[in-house]
Formats: sequence, C-alpha cells, structure tokens
Amino acid sequence: KQEVTQIPAALSVPEGENLVLNCSFTDSAIYNLQWFRQDPGKGLTSLLLIQSSQREQTSGRLNASLDKSSGRSTLYIAASQPGDSATYLCAVRGGTVDNDMRFGAGTRLTVK
Amino acid sequence: DAGITQSPRHKVTETGTPVTLRCHQTENHRYMYWYRQDPGHGLRLIHYSYGVKDTDKGEVSDGYSVSRSKTEDFLLTLESATSSQTSVYFCAISLLGGESSVHNEQFFGPGTRLTVL
Repeated sequence: KQEVTQIPAALSVPEGENLVLNCSFTDSAIYNLQWFRQDPGKGLTSLLLIQSSQREQTSGRLNASLDKSSGRSTLYIAASQPGDSATYLCAVRGGTVDNDMRFGAGTRLTVK
Repeated sequence: DAGITQSPRHKVTETGTPVTLRCHQTENHRYMYWYRQDPGHGLRLIHYSYGVKDTDKGEVSDGYSVSRSKTEDFLLTLESATSSQTSVYFCAISLLGGESSVHNEQFFGPGTRLTVL
C-alpha cells in the first residue's frame, strides 16, 4: 500500500524567503504526482503535475521535482508572499492510469 | 476553474437517515471521484467512476454507494448515516490517459461539509 508523507507538518517563514516543501512516497512505481494548494475551508487547487517520465515542472514561482528512485518530490516556492499561506498537499497516483491517488497529510505554510 | 459543483455545500443530518451528495461537472471528463477529508487522515478515496455506470471502490468505501447515470453527474449515497461519516466530502474529475499532463490533472470541487448528529 502506497504511503505518502509530508514533512514538516507546519512551516512559518518571513516574506521573501525561498522555501522547499517535501513529499516522500513508499512505492516508486507511480503514474504521476500532483501538488495542490488548499486554503482554509476551501477545495484543492492544482498547482503542478509531474508525469512519471518527467523530472520537474515549473509554473511561475513554483518548481516541482520528482525523483522516483528515492521516492521523493519537492515543491520549491521562490520569493514567498503572504498570499502563499495555505496548506500544500502532494498526491501520488499508482502504477497504472486507473489507480487511485494517495494523499499526504499536507504542510501548512505561513508566510509572515 | 474547472466546472465542478457540489450540492449541498453544507448538511446536518441525524444518525440513521439516508443522505445523497451530488457532484456535477461541465467538463465532460471521463473520471469522477469522491473523497473524504478528515483531520489526521488527509484525503481518502471513497469511490470513483471511469464512465457512465462504471464505478469502483476506493480505500474507504464501506457505508457508501455511488451512481453515475450521466457523464456530468456522480452521486454519493450514505444509506444510513453514522457519526463516523461526519466529514468534508470532495468530488474530483480528470480525463486520464496518455502522457499529457492536461489529461491527467485532477480537479476538485468546493466540498460538502456533512455533520451527522
């Protein structure tokens, strides 16, 4: 059974700092990995999706990397802003297209 | 934003009553999902559908049933609600298939907060 872990559970940084959020998974046979943002009381907003054949994806100030062999992904946020404050979730889809996604518990980010 | 709506957005019900949650999409996506989100557990898949009348169980399907009679609608039913089913329920959609990220991205609805007393 795929287990997805996100550490730390909470992170507080000053505005302008570059930061990295971590996601690890136990089974490297994945189809893709997706990063989401969730604001309090809201649904999930897709940030980036990395297919299993890709190493990274970029969107604006966000860059996500994937290292399947080590079971890790990172989400890099450049020049953080107060508006980046939210919970960030990573989710991994298993080895075939029909496999369900397994979510990490998230990292709650506060940018002061 | 992906065209996904959920209804109702909030519901309070009593133990033992039936409850149906509705997810409606305007994207014509093939795959639809129901998740629940609970503190300490994150999001867990309840059921998903890969086409009209084609559904399958997820990680936490006990006590839930689903139906999909049209591409755009996916219903989640709690036949006899219990307090352990108090949660926030999210619907999601995706196209899936191929190597394109566009096809594999999963989009979420706004959620339904269900309280079972």
